[in-house]
Amino acid sequence: EAQLVESGGGLVQPGGSLRLSCAASGFSFSSHWMSWVRQAPGKGLEWMANIKQDGSHKNYVDSVKGRFTISRDNTKNSLFLQMDSLRADDTALYYCVRDINWGFDSWGQGTLVTVSS
Amino acid sequence: QSALTQPASVSGSPGQSITISCTGTSSDVGGYNYVSWYQQHPGKAPKFMIYEVNNRPSGVPDRFSGSKSGNTASLTISGLQAEDEADYYCSSYSYISSATYVFGTGTKVTLL
Repeated sequence: EAQLVESGGGLVQPGGSLRLSCAASGFSFSSHWMSWVRQAPGKGLEWMANIKQDGSHKNYVDSVKGRFTISRDNTKNSLFLQMDSLRADDTALYYCVRDINWGFDSWGQGTLVTVSS
Repeated sequence: QSALTQPASVSGSPGQSITISCTGTSSDVGGYNYVSWYQQHPGKAPKFMIYEVNNRPSGVPDRFSGSKSGNTASLTISGLQAEDEADYYCSSYSYISSATYVFGTGTKVTLL
C-alpha cells in the first residue's frame, strides 16, 4: 500500500521561504508523476504542481509560477516543494499526492504552512 | 485556471439517490475524459472515488458512479448511507497554455 508522509511545514513570515518534503514508500516511486495539492483552512482543494517520473517535466498553477519549485529524488523516494516569496494566502495544508489515471489516488496527511508576521 | 463549479450543498435521505454536478469549460471538463472525484471527511485526507469520468478504483462501492455531458460532469450516489455524509470534490485535467489540473469548489453532502 502506498504511503506518503509530508514534513517541513511551519510558521514563516511573509516574503520568507520554506521547503516541504514528502517521503514515499510502498510503491515504485520512480514510476509515477507526483503532485502537490493544498487546502486553505476551511476551503477547497487547489492543485499546485506536478512532476514527471524522471523530473524532466514540471507543471505549475499560475498563482505559484516563479515562486514555487517542485523537484524529486528517486534515489531517496522523495518529493520536494521549494516555496519562496510566501504570502498570507499561501497558508494551507499541503498534501503530497500520487498521480494515476489522470487523478490522484494516494494522499499523505498533509503538512501545515502558516504565513504570518 | 478558474475552479470548476459545484453546488455548495446537496442533501438526501438514507436510501435515496443524489447527484452532484461539476461544471467547467471546453478547456477542461468538456475537452477531456479526465474527470475524477474525491470524498473528504472532516479532518481527513481526500479519498479517490472516481477516475476518467466513470471508473471506480478498487474498493469503492458501486453505489458511486460518474458521468459527463458536454462541459458538466456528475457524481451520483445511490442508496445514500450515513457514511456518505462528507465533502465531495471533482477535478479535471486542463490545458490552456500548459497542462494543469483544476478542482471543483466542493459540495457538502448532508443526510436528512
